[in-house]
Amino acid sequence: KAGVTQTPRYLIKTRGQQVTLSCSPISGHRSVSWYQQTPGQGLQFLFEYFSETQRNKGNFPGRFSGRQFSNSRSEMNVSTLELGDSALYLCASSLAPTSGSYNEQFFGPGTRLTVL
Amino acid sequence: AQSVTQLGSHVSVSEGALVLLRCNYSSSVPPYLFWYVQYPNQGLQLLLKYTSAATLVKGINGFEAEFKKSETSFHLTKPSAHMSDAAEYFCAVRVFSGTYKYIFGTGTRLKVLA
Repeated sequence: KAGVTQTPRYLIKTRGQQVTLSCSPISGHRSVSWYQQTPGQGLQFLFEYFSETQRNKGNFPGRFSGRQFSNSRSEMNVSTLELGDSALYLCASSLAPTSGSYNEQFFGPGTRLTVL
Repeated sequence: AQSVTQLGSHVSVSEGALVLLRCNYSSSVPPYLFWYVQYPNQGLQLLLKYTSAATLVKGINGFEAEFKKSETSFHLTKPSAHMSDAAEYFCAVRVFSGTYKYIFGTGTRLKVLA
């Protein structure tokens, strides 16, 4: 069974631009969570989607948004990029929402975003 | 506020030596606790988890961790380090705050010296 895939793996953008990242979950998994990973901050939870609905949200500004499609693939968008948005963005998939009963998360390799 | 603290952002051990990575959590109720490993250019992989069963949890690659409620700790150990253990390790807690959420520590980079 294929794992979680994320595209692209690397991105370079300039301040003020916007970016869209994509995540395809493991086949059969319907929940996708997004995390921002930065040195010294660890992983910070962005949001979780299940059945095309946002189920949970972290403490990030409205510039960060996401969506999920009927095939469970998810995208996250960051508008008006800032230097501080440079990070590794990880997505994780699970069978059901992690915000409810326990479901193991499986992580993708991440998209490394550099904002110049 | 609930949190996870990993003591030591960088730890170096000699090959064959004991690995000890420290994790302390703060939570008002017994949480679920996790250790993940991240190899370069890869995502996080679950090493082991504590879900309120046995306090000593065995994971993959010879790692284990012990849940100590009195110390609010969940330290990760491995008796004998291998070069392939060099990676970044994250401790995480799953807590309930209106809904369940994962809180991750800031990570510990393990270096194994030949």
